[in-house]
Amino acid sequence: KAGVTQTPRYLIKTRGQQVTLSCSPISGHRSVSWYQQTPGQGLQFLFEYFSETQRNKGNFPGRFSGRQFSNSRSEMNVSTLELGDSALYLCASSWDRDEQYFGPGTRLTVT
Amino acid sequence: AQTVTQSQPEMSVQEAETVTLSCTYDTSESDYYLFWYKQPPSRQMILVIRQEAYKQQNATENRFSVNFQKAAKSFSLKISDSQLGDAAMYFCAYRSAGFGSNAGGTSYGKLTFGQGTILTVHP
Repeated sequence: KAGVTQTPRYLIKTRGQQVTLSCSPISGHRSVSWYQQTPGQGLQFLFEYFSETQRNKGNFPGRFSGRQFSNSRSEMNVSTLELGDSALYLCASSWDRDEQYFGPGTRLTVT
Repeated sequence: AQTVTQSQPEMSVQEAETVTLSCTYDTSESDYYLFWYKQPPSRQMILVIRQEAYKQQNATENRFSVNFQKAAKSFSLKISDSQLGDAAMYFCAYRSAGFGSNAGGTSYGKLTFGQGTILTVHP
């Protein structure tokens, strides 16, 4: 069974731009969660989608948004990028409330 | 809110020896899950082991085992017969097992991570 995939793997954007990251969960998994990883703040929860509905949301500004499609693929969008948004963005999938399996991450650099 | 603390920023071990990584957590919930994840230099997070809070028996997965002390809110990971491939950052994580939403927000899908412990394995 294929693992969680994330695209793109690396991205360089300019301050003020917007970016969209994609995550394809393991086949059959209905839940997708997103995390931001930075050296200073560690791993922080962004949001979780289940059956196309956002079920939970972390403490991030409204510039961070996401959605989930009927095939469980998920996208997250960051508008008006700031230098502090430079991070590794990880998505994880699970069937429901069980263990989460992570993708390889998208490394976003904002210049 | 739940918090997870890993008090050892770095640990080292000789190949074939045993090492224990510490983790403590704070929660008012009685039903939850605890996990250890490994993140090697590739940055791919890999699930190492899982423990359900309602189970008294400590989880084991081959060379990996945990010491779960619910009353003390402690969840340590023991790696036996350490191998060079075990070198990585290890994260302890907490997840509520709560069902449904509540006025303070839902618990779905949220893993709360510790700060991580870098494990070095010496040949």
